[in-house]
Amino acid sequence: AQKVTQAQTEISVVEKEDVTLDCVYETRDTTYYLFWYKQPPSGELVFLIRRNSFDEQNEISGRYSWNFQKSTSSFNFTITASQVVDSAVYFCALSLTGNQFYFGTGTSLTVIP
Amino acid sequence: NAGVTQTPKFRILKIGQSMTLQCTQDMNHNYMYWYRQDPGMGLKLIYYSVGAGITDKGEVPNGYNVSRSTTEDFPLRLELAAPSQTSVYFCASSYSLQALTDTQYFGPGTRLTVL
Repeated sequence: AQKVTQAQTEISVVEKEDVTLDCVYETRDTTYYLFWYKQPPSGELVFLIRRNSFDEQNEISGRYSWNFQKSTSSFNFTITASQVVDSAVYFCALSLTGNQFYFGTGTSLTVIP
Repeated sequence: NAGVTQTPKFRILKIGQSMTLQCTQDMNHNYMYWYRQDPGMGLKLIYYSVGAGITDKGEVPNGYNVSRSTTEDFPLRLELAAPSQTSVYFCASSYSLQALTDTQYFGPGTRLTVL
């Protein structure tokens, strides 16, 4: 069975602090895809990144970075120098074939000015 | 491109009523999905479709039906609304995850309340 765990329900940081959102996944398949989405207070879901199981290269995009480690089944997301606009719920998701997606329960991030 | 559009944005139903949530995408995507998001929870897959004429159940299909007569449209039908179906419903589409950079594109959501 597939499962995504985001153990951090809520996180609060002061603006300009760095914050890491954890994501642990479970699957026995060797080919899979991992995703991070952002859901701001307005409610829409915004795609942030996709990682394929055969590509463990970490990625940096501006203040965002992602650390994918197959050895620990983790796909963690770090925001550097957080800003108030980063306040949102962040979801990690796993897909095997594109037919079904498995979402974590989300981490609610509040950045305090 | 409009992307993924959903109608209505908000709806209040009485117990036992029926309704159809509309979803349309203009990206010629093969895959389409319906999710529900309950307060404080992640998304749960209701139904999905891999192409016109093909649908399959997701994690929480009970109380819902879908059809996919065209590539663009994927309506979700609630036959006998129940309070447990109060939720936010998201439609999504994707081309194919075998394309290395593809992902799901989400509609804006429909907030449904059943009283």
